[in-house]
Amino acid sequence: ELKVEQNPLFLSMQEGKNYTIYCNYSTTSDRLYWYRQDPGKSLESLFVLLSNGAVKQEGRLMASLDTKARLSTLHITAAVHDLSATYFCAVGNSGGSNYKLTFGKGTLLTVNP
Amino acid sequence: GAGVSQTPSNKVTEKGKYVELRCDPISGHTALYWYRQSLGQGPEFLIYFQGTGAADDSGLPNDRFFAVRPEGSVSTLKIQRTERGDSAVYLCASSLGGGAYEQYFGPGTRLTVT
Repeated sequence: ELKVEQNPLFLSMQEGKNYTIYCNYSTTSDRLYWYRQDPGKSLESLFVLLSNGAVKQEGRLMASLDTKARLSTLHITAAVHDLSATYFCAVGNSGGSNYKLTFGKGTLLTVNP
Repeated sequence: GAGVSQTPSNKVTEKGKYVELRCDPISGHTALYWYRQSLGQGPEFLIYFQGTGAADDSGLPNDRFFAVRPEGSVSTLKIQRTERGDSAVYLCASSLGGGAYEQYFGPGTRLTVT
């Protein structure tokens, strides 16, 4: 059974600082997603990572994937208040149930002025 | 174009009642998924439809939960004899096809069982 662990679960940062959120998963997968969720809202897709070594950047966020280590990172550069949200990684199952996504518990990010 | 829509956005019901939650996927998407998100948790898979049939309902917690998609478009998640533990946000997602296609999520229905 695929298990996904995110850490930290809670992250309080000052504006302008850098930080990284980690997502580890337990079995082989060929795709990993990062989502953002604002309070009371649905999931907004941020990144789709499909291959080992994939790196994608959008604004102050950069995501990477190491399939050998079964690890993805979401790096935040020079955080701003607008980045405050909960961030989820989700891993696609492999094989016959590859439609199924398994989510981490999420990282609640608070960026303080 | 229009995204995934879900109704109602909020539903409050008494313990023991029956509820129906509706999902309208993106037009042309053949695959539809239901997830449940409890407070402070990530979404958990409930059921996957490919067309009209439930291809995988292994995530449904028990036989009080049932979902249909009779015409391969709109889906309804039905919960009988609701319990307080059913309180959660129920998210629907759709994708162009099954398998590894990217899933697009709706705004969710927040269900509260009192």
